[in-house]
Amino acid sequence: DSGVTQTPKHLITATGQRVTLRCSPRSGDLSVYWYQQSLDQGLQFLIQYYNGEERAKGNILERFSAQQFPDLHSELNLSSLELGDSALYFCASSVGGQSYTFGSGTRLTVV
Amino acid sequence: AQTVTQSQPEMSVQEAETVTLSCTYDTSESDYYLFWYKQPPSRQMILVIRQEAYKQQNATENRFSVNFQKAAKSFSLKISDSQLGDAAMYFCAYDMRFGAGTRLTVKP
Repeated sequence: DSGVTQTPKHLITATGQRVTLRCSPRSGDLSVYWYQQSLDQGLQFLIQYYNGEERAKGNILERFSAQQFPDLHSELNLSSLELGDSALYFCASSVGGQSYTFGSGTRLTVV
Repeated sequence: AQTVTQSQPEMSVQEAETVTLSCTYDTSESDYYLFWYKQPPSRQMILVIRQEAYKQQNATENRFSVNFQKAAKSFSLKISDSQLGDAAMYFCAYDMRFGAGTRLTVKP
């Protein structure tokens, strides 16, 4: 157990739908990062939150949004889902960027 | 924008031999961290090794070591005495950005 918890582990949904992925960071970590990894691809950085505030934004689509709550857990919202959104979505947390601890990911399948 | 480049999509090594995976990055910062992560077929992301840029000494973790060339912005990973369990995707990372990865195959 890395200490970073992601739920659900698997999600199957239809095109056009909306889903929410949840991430609880490791205890003490203030930063949360979201990544998308399509099959046999690298990790695409989506967005970073630090202590509730958006800190950096990467290749995140307008259909996607995220937030970090006062208890530091984060949610990634994906809407108007397309087949191409099928991927493994990782959450990672860190303290000061000195290391990144990853959750086990949420595997999203859009049918 | 910061970029991380891994120029070797695939590498192969014989069991017990040594292999080096390459990585270059772009930054204007002087103090930062660099990482190598391993992703086995389970797709879990596992930290292999970390290098602090202000430290001139190359980081080492058991059979894994790095060759950090700050001026050249190069950060290669050396795996010694390769084992079958080392077969995985390896990703280099800087400032939350990851390279495209190198798929390492270990031949028995």
